Amino acid sequence: DAKTTQPNSMESNEEEPVHLPCNHSTISGTDYIHWYRQLPSQGPEYVIHGLTSNVNNRMASLAIAEDRKSSTLILHRATLRDAAVYYCILRDDNYGQNFVFGPGTRLSVLP
Amino acid sequence: GAGVSQSPSNKVTEKGKDVELRCDPISGHTALYWYRQSLGQGLEFLIYFQGNSAPDKSGLPSDRFSAERTGGSVSTLTIQRTQQEDSAVYLCASSLNQVRTQETQYFGPGTRLLVL
Repeated sequence: DAKTTQPNSMESNEEEPVHLPCNHSTISGTDYIHWYRQLPSQGPEYVIHGLTSNVNNRMASLAIAEDRKSSTLILHRATLRDAAVYYCILRDDNYGQNFVFGPGTRLSVLP
Repeated sequence: GAGVSQSPSNKVTEKGKDVELRCDPISGHTALYWYRQSLGQGLEFLIYFQGNSAPDKSGLPSDRFSAERTGGSVSTLTIQRTQQEDSAVYLCASSLNQVRTQETQYFGPGTRLLVL
C-alpha cells in the first residue's frame, strides 16, 4: 500500500475552517483517497473520498493536488462535534484491499 | 436503516479463557472486515470476508485467532487462550462489495475486550 503522512495533531477554534493535510507522494494512478474520522469511543465513520477531482459533500470538501501527491480535507466550520482523529487512507482500485489505517491527525476544537 | 452491530459491547475475561465476538453487518453487505485497536493506537487489520470466504487472513496475529462467517451475514471472531496483550477494541465493518474499492466501510461500535 502507498503510505500517507499526516500531522499528529491539529487545533482549531469553533466556527472556523479547518484544513487537514495529507501527503501521499507514492500514490499510484489507481489509488483512491479516502478520509475517515473516529470520534471518541466510537468506530470510524466515512467522511469523503476522491480520485482526481475535488469533491464536496455535506460533511466536508476534499481538495486533491494536481499531481495527486497530497490532499487536504476541509471542514468549512468546525464544531465541537468535529473533534476526532482523522485518517487519510489510500486504496488501490485494482486490488480490492482492506483499508490500512495510519495514526491519523487528532483534531481538537476549542470553544 | 440498521447499522453494523457488535456484541458484546464489553467483555472482561481471565487470561487463558476463550472468547467469541460477534458482528452483524448491514443487511446485503457482502464484505465484512475485522480490525482491532489497542489503547491510543490506530486500527490494525485482522481479516476480511467476501461472502463466507476469507481471502485475506494475513492480519491475524497468531493461530489463537480465528474467524468465520455463515450465510454471508453474521461473523464470529474467536480468540483462544486469551493473553493480556489481546486487550483492545475489536471493530467490525461491512461494505456492499469489497471488490469495488470505492466502497465505503461502515463500522460498528466495537467490542472492548479486557483480559485480566
